[in-house]
Amino acid sequence: GQQLNQSPQSMFIQEGEDVSMNCTSSSIFNTWLWYKQEPGEGPVLLIALYKAGELTSNGRLTAQFGITRKDSFLNISASIPSDVGIYFCAGLVWDSNYQLIWGAGTKLIIKP
Amino acid sequence: GAVVSQHPSRVICKSGTSVKIECRSLDFQATTMFWYRQFPKQSLMLMATSNEGSKATYEQGVEKDKFLINHASLTLSTLTVTSAHPEDSSFYICSARAGGPSNEQFFGPGTRLTVL
Repeated sequence: GQQLNQSPQSMFIQEGEDVSMNCTSSSIFNTWLWYKQEPGEGPVLLIALYKAGELTSNGRLTAQFGITRKDSFLNISASIPSDVGIYFCAGLVWDSNYQLIWGAGTKLIIKP
Repeated sequence: GAVVSQHPSRVICKSGTSVKIECRSLDFQATTMFWYRQFPKQSLMLMATSNEGSKATYEQGVEKDKFLINHASLTLSTLTVTSAHPEDSSFYICSARAGGPSNEQFFGPGTRLTVL
């Protein structure tokens, strides 16, 4: 089946640093989604990408849909304490089947 | 927009009882809702896809008689965990698919089930 490789698995960073995480797949996706999940909560959609090559920003977050449609990255600039959480990428296929494939998540920890 | 609610947020029950979890799309109609299960430190695992007015489609390995899904309206889907056992303890999350060109899924806040 389709799989996503998300890296890194976790990141320890200082407040103010920029963060970068990415997802790759052997399969093509129609849409890439980036979610953030905090403990005890459901995932919250951060950014949705619909076209190959698309670069989209949401505040300090920037994400790109890879030109091959098989990868995506998420950058967070000037991290702040409330950025802590787990970030998931998800690839969406919606032709004959509607399928959302999840990455394993990147846990972001900010060092005090 | 695109708010999904879940109720209850937490439930503790005795082994052998049944538990119902509700998922509602508050400001949009969702023809398709999804039920996920998440174990600690893991990603979400799709259990079933729920289509309004028809039977749910279950993923391989998920017992349909154990996890009953009812999608009675365009804004409500329910998951009933029947005869719950301690191994059913988990975080259950629903999501609703926004129709139209976007096709994104919006997630509820999750329900923490603990079976004693």
